[in-house]
Amino acid sequence: AQSVTQPDIHITVSEGASLELRCNYSYGATPYLFWYVQSPGQGLQLLLKYFSGDTLVQGIKGFEAEFKRSQSSFNLRKPSVHWSDAAEYFCAVGASNQGGKLIFGQGTELSVKP
Amino acid sequence: KAGVTQTPRYLIKTRGQQVTLSCSPISGHRSVSWYQQTPGQGLQFLFEYFSETQRNKGNFPGRFSGRQFSNSRSEMNVSTLELGDSALYLCASSNRQGTYEQYFGPGTRLTVT
Repeated sequence: AQSVTQPDIHITVSEGASLELRCNYSYGATPYLFWYVQSPGQGLQLLLKYFSGDTLVQGIKGFEAEFKRSQSSFNLRKPSVHWSDAAEYFCAVGASNQGGKLIFGQGTELSVKP
Repeated sequence: KAGVTQTPRYLIKTRGQQVTLSCSPISGHRSVSWYQQTPGQGLQFLFEYFSETQRNKGNFPGRFSGRQFSNSRSEMNVSTLELGDSALYLCASSNRQGTYEQYFGPGTRLTVT
């Protein structure tokens, strides 16, 4: 069955520290991979996406993610976290034969200490 | 370009009633997908409409239905509301070409009492 796992429900980092949010997926086809961010009471904002090619992808707000096929992972990273990055982050997987259907992980809530 | 808009933003209904939610996609986008977000189940795919046709459906009961109009606007209907239908309903639009990336609206917060 198709699934996405985000092992960390909640992470706290200090402002200025680096960040890595983990995402593992189980998908039969070649997946499309996404990271979204959601602030309280808001919709989801697309941070970055991977479809093919270079396995290190750059996104908005200084985020990047690396696709590792051998580990079925798509971890999100940021070298220096800002207080405004506090939010919930969702990893999602889709495929061309699934059209608009995305499967989401349970989310990781990020808190930032001053 | 204007983003995805959803109306209403907040809604309170009574168990047994029905509700209709509306979504206007980004201009030029012909695909609209709907998701339900709850604390317990997370984000779950409801259905996708493209060119007025339902192209994909999630694992929800028949009380959940939708449609898409010729201008790509979409509505989602839930009949015979249950307490468990309380959720944030998110709509996303896509041009359904190439990268299939989806852009989400702010959501409609439905509370069933």
